[in-house]
Amino acid sequence: DGGITQSPKYLFRKEGQNVTLSCEQNLNHDAMYWYRQDPGQGLRLIYYSQIVNDFQKGDIAEGYSVSREKKESFPLTVTSAQKNPTAFYLCASSIRQTSNRADGYTFGSGTRLTVV
Amino acid sequence: QKEVEQDPGPLSVPEGAIVSLNCTYSNSAFQYFMWYRQYSRKGPELLMYTYSSGNKEDGRFTAQVDKSSKYISLFIRDSQPSDSATYLCAMKGGTSYGKLTFGQGTILTVHP
Repeated sequence: DGGITQSPKYLFRKEGQNVTLSCEQNLNHDAMYWYRQDPGQGLRLIYYSQIVNDFQKGDIAEGYSVSREKKESFPLTVTSAQKNPTAFYLCASSIRQTSNRADGYTFGSGTRLTVV
Repeated sequence: QKEVEQDPGPLSVPEGAIVSLNCTYSNSAFQYFMWYRQYSRKGPELLMYTYSSGNKEDGRFTAQVDKSSKYISLFIRDSQPSDSATYLCAMKGGTSYGKLTFGQGTILTVHP
């Protein structure tokens, strides 16, 4: 079955550590996204990528980094510069969006990151 | 002011009730409107998708868009306990490549 796989499901980070969240899709989608979800705040866009080897900052990119070396993969690194990283992280993918069309995203099941 | 405003609730209704969920927005460039359903500890799933103004019906769900008022709604008829979830509105303009803007989400509980 096609879909998006996020791992791990739960992740604990110590202060000052960098951690990497995995996101893999087999939907043959060009575009991939990372969102952060906090209670009462909805989904906020961290980074997105419309094509391999290209990505753009979203609304809250500070303290995060990404890479897009393969179409199927879009890992997110939460660096020590991110002061409040405890949140639910969601990866999504879609066909490539253009100005005259839009399609829904397919989301993964999320990774819950906790700072200890 | 946020671009998309959604009442977070929580909203609690008895089984069989009609549920109305709403979002307002400020960006007149938004043309594509979606509703996602998110069960606890899961990723959101696309429920309804409409383009521009008008209504769209799918089973017990009806999505309405009023661009003149910058207001969208999702109606759930004959609500079921399995409808208990967080409902997120999302929208996109014609020029923003791929970038959906989400509301805060409304937590809905349908009790038997």
